[in-house]
Amino acid sequence: EAQVTQNPRYLITVTGKKLTVTCSQNMNHEYMSWYRQDPGLGLRQIYYSMNVEVTDKGDVPEGYKVSRKEKRNFPLILESPSPNQTSLYFCASSSKGNQPQHFGDGTRLSIL
Amino acid sequence: AQSVTQLGSHVSVSEGALVLLRCNYSSSVPPYLFWYVQYPNQGLQLLLKYTSAATLVKGINGFEAEFKKSETSFHLTKPSAHMSDAAEYFCAVSSYNTDKLIFGTGTRLQVFP
Repeated sequence: EAQVTQNPRYLITVTGKKLTVTCSQNMNHEYMSWYRQDPGLGLRQIYYSMNVEVTDKGDVPEGYKVSRKEKRNFPLILESPSPNQTSLYFCASSSKGNQPQHFGDGTRLSIL
Repeated sequence: AQSVTQLGSHVSVSEGALVLLRCNYSSSVPPYLFWYVQYPNQGLQLLLKYTSAATLVKGINGFEAEFKKSETSFHLTKPSAHMSDAAEYFCAVSSYNTDKLIFGTGTRLQVFP
């Protein structure tokens, strides 16, 4: 079954404690992306990757890092989380950036 | 630059009534347009897409959308709402010369019995 898998689904943590949200896809997609979803703001892109070792900033990259060492994985790293990063995060993948994207089920992060 | 506007953050209809969710876009090149649905505690699922073929696009679960260039619109409709249609709906735009999707702010659909 084609899917995008994110872990964890839920996380409550404290300010400054580094965390990583993993994302994996099994569709051999070249394009992967991270979004955050906040009430009234829709989905905003954090970072995206066109292929292995190729990443670029989206609309709201501050406070986040990503890496793309393998085609299937695209982890999101918060080096020093802050309360304003409390949000619902989605990973997505597609064959190209302008094509329909397959989404994971989301990760709800709460930073206290 | 591309953008998309969804009019109405909340829409309420009775079961069996027409569903109309509005989306207007801005694009300097021919757009690709998408509607996604998000059910509670789930990710987004593609409902339908327009990529310059037929202007009336049929999607899953009885939804359809019509591309109207003159109105820069891509409204989503369904003739008869079902309780299971209650969800949040997102319109998105891209094009051949971009590498990202731009999402609207979403419309939450409530369906009353």
